[in-house]
Amino acid sequence: GQSLEQPSEVTAVEGAIVQINCTYQTSGFYGLSWYQQHDGGAPTFLSYNALDGLEETGRFSSFLSRSDSYGYLLLQELQMKDSASYFCAAPDSNYQLIWGAGTKLIIKP
Amino acid sequence: DTGVSQDPRHKITKRGQNVTFRCDPISEHNRLYWYRQTLGQGPEFLTYFQNEAQLEKSRLLSDRFSAERPKGSFSTLEIQRTEQGDSAMYLCASSLLAGNEQYFGPGTRLTVT
Repeated sequence: GQSLEQPSEVTAVEGAIVQINCTYQTSGFYGLSWYQQHDGGAPTFLSYNALDGLEETGRFSSFLSRSDSYGYLLLQELQMKDSASYFCAAPDSNYQLIWGAGTKLIIKP
Repeated sequence: DTGVSQDPRHKITKRGQNVTFRCDPISEHNRLYWYRQTLGQGPEFLTYFQNEAQLEKSRLLSDRFSAERPKGSFSTLEIQRTEQGDSAMYLCASSLLAGNEQYFGPGTRLTVT
């Protein structure tokens, strides 16, 4: 089976940097995705890591270490609009996405 | 707007009634997924289609749930004899055949009274 663990809530200050961690247990591993979901909205894709290392997209970066079964999402120069839930998700062999329970990011001014 | 649409956006029904939801994916996307999401949880996979073929269905999915994707375009999800435990947000997503990015629709919020 597969499971992904992430903190339920993280608090940070506007303008700061925050890291959201995700550890996974999978029978087969094909990569790690990150999605953002605002309250009442649908998930939107942020990034996907298939290989070890850091992927950067603007203020957001995602990191993967396959040997440690671990990844993280890094958000820089936090803005109030970044307040949302962030999910890590991993596809299984049938392209079915298995999701973590989500991390609620609270940003304080 | 991702280009994936769902209808209706909200549905209130009484326990025991049948409901049907529709999803229109991005036209060139081969794969279509249905998820269910409850408050404070990540989306839970229900089923997915590659073109018109239903390739995978969650083992946790009750027989009361059925989905179709005729002609490989839009999809419908039907829940028969609804129960209060079916109350949730039902999300549809689509992707390219070899794509890692899934595009989600706005969801249908179901409330069973």
